[in-house]
Amino acid sequence: EPEVTQTPSHQVTQMGQEVILRCVPISNHLYFYWYRQILGQKVEFLVSFYNNEISEKSEIFDDQFSVERPDGSNFTLKIRSTKLEDSAMYFCASIEGTSFTDTQYFGPGTRLTVL
Amino acid sequence: AQSVTQLDSHVSVSEGTPVLLRCNYSSSYSPSLFWYVQHPNKGLQLLLKYTSAATLVKGINGFEAEFKKSETSFHLTKPSAHMSDAAEYFCVVSDGYSGGGADGLTFGKGTHLIIQP
Repeated sequence: EPEVTQTPSHQVTQMGQEVILRCVPISNHLYFYWYRQILGQKVEFLVSFYNNEISEKSEIFDDQFSVERPDGSNFTLKIRSTKLEDSAMYFCASIEGTSFTDTQYFGPGTRLTVL
Repeated sequence: AQSVTQLDSHVSVSEGTPVLLRCNYSSSYSPSLFWYVQHPNKGLQLLLKYTSAATLVKGINGFEAEFKKSETSFHLTKPSAHMSDAAEYFCVVSDGYSGGGADGLTFGKGTHLIIQP
């Protein structure tokens, strides 16, 4: 069964450094998402991406964040200058169609630790 | 705006007894509702979803949920708990406010299900 994959599984970085989290959505899926889950808190939506542009973003997704689909398979989240509060689990997701009723398939997550 | 309230942060049941995880939602539109499960150090897996068809929805591993619009509830149940059900469960709402698939999902805070032997 096809699945969303994410690399790395764990990333440790120093405050102020740039990080890129990578995701490979399910092939032929159309919408892609990033979420984060700070330890002990709820999963929060960051951004949705469709047709090579951002569709929607939350208040969390400020100028420090950017997303890109550099090729036909990868979907990346870049944090320009990491802060301690960026430490979280980051999940990528994708849907096959273009409806809010479609199931979002999640990757296993990347745990980002900012020191 | 949409929101989800999971009424219990922890639920503990004995193996073989019924499971009830409670969820209430708020949405200005006709929402889709989901339950996801997260096992330790694993990603989020869909258990079941409601998308305006049958109000009683059956999912994987014997779980089911009933959409009750009058009560704005979407409680998750299972007749008989198994040790492997121990995990974090998230009730999730999506109402397509921005159109299509643009909106992200709104998650509840999660319920930690503990299964006693």
